[in-house]
Order: sequence, then C-alpha cells, then structure tokens
Amino acid sequence: DIQMTQSPSAMSASVGDRVTITCRASQGISNHLAWFQQKPGKVPNRLIYAASSLQSGVPSRFSGSGSGTEFTLTISSLQPEDFATYYCLQHNNYPWTFGQGTKVEIK
Amino acid sequence: QVQLVESGGGLVKPGGSLRLSCAASGFTFRDYYMTWIRQAPGKGLEWLSYISSSGRNIYYADSVKGRFTISRDNAKNSLYLQMSSLRAEDTAVYYCAREVAAADYWGQGTLVTVSS
Repeated sequence: DIQMTQSPSAMSASVGDRVTITCRASQGISNHLAWFQQKPGKVPNRLIYAASSLQSGVPSRFSGSGSGTEFTLTISSLQPEDFATYYCLQHNNYPWTFGQGTKVEIK
Repeated sequence: QVQLVESGGGLVKPGGSLRLSCAASGFTFRDYYMTWIRQAPGKGLEWLSYISSSGRNIYYADSVKGRFTISRDNAKNSLYLQMSSLRAEDTAVYYCAREVAAADYWGQGTLVTVSS
C-alpha cells in the first residue's frame, strides 16, 4: 500500500500568512493526488484535484503543486474561514490512502 | 445539482450487521464510479471501497476486506455497503462519494456505532 506522509500534523498561523502543507507518497503516484478541507462537523470539501487543478468555486488563494512523490498545498494569504483540517488523498493505486491530516489553527 | 444521501446507520452490537444505502440524484448515476469513505470520531479519513460504473470492478481496504461488500443498483440510482462482523473500531461516520479524480461530491454521512 502507498503511505501518504503529511506534514505538519498541526500548525498555528495568523490571518494573512502564507501556509504550506506537504504530502509525501511512499512511491510515485504521478499527479493522482487531491486535497480536501474539512471544518468541524462538516463534510470534507475537495479543493484541488490532479495535484494542481483548482476545484470550481474554490478561492484562488489555494493552490497545489507537485508530481511523483512530493506534493504541496499552499494558501497564499490565510483567511479566517480557512482554519480547518486539510487532507491529501492519493488515488493512483488501490487502496486509496489519505494523509493523516493537518489542523490549521489560529495563532 | 449533485446530491448523495446516505442512510441506514445506527447502533449495532459487535458481531452484528448493517446495510448502508446512498441515494444519488442530479447526475447520471450509471456512468460514474463510486466510493465509500469513513471517519472515526476525532480521527482522520479512511477510504474503504470502490465500485466501477457497471459494478464489475471492486476494491476494498484491507481493514474491511471479507467483512464489507459494496454494490450498486443503477436502476435505482443507489449505492450500498453491506457490513458484517462489525467491530468497535468500525464506529464512524460513513460517507459515499462520487469518484471523479478522487471524490468530487460527498454525501452528508451516516453514523454507525458499534457497541454492546
């Protein structure tokens, strides 16, 4: 199975900060990676698919990059509504695997 | 608009069985692959199973292989997850999701609690 190592597991940041979250795959997954945002008590919401394609309706401050084994989700200027937990998901091989999540909290 | 509505969750004793359903609308269900994903209380997301549009291709996570069965009825626009030999660690919110470049639309989830 492909292991997805997501870092950091938690972080504190301020409104306006640039935030970067990383996912590393244990083997190459091409660009078969998606990023999700989940707020407490809510359903996960896909932000990025195919590693770098922005989901329709998602603000442009969110961006994704990477290919192969290293992937990054960047929030260019953190907004109050962005405080949430973020997950990566590889769907190159079955079983699909999620990263363990990154909780972004208010500093 | 795309809608996925899960049902069938509830309280079940260890060793028991439960069947979850996911009613799809707003898209041509028979043309899409579907998945089940779960989230234990306070924990991360766990992918469980995938089924192709025809139902011919199916995959499972090791944690549920042999205990859970995914199926679909394209005539009824419905996806199912038959769960048996349930364990306490199967307690979670269960989501169905449409598979387009990985889970583009999700249902609201249904809670399954395994406890005596």
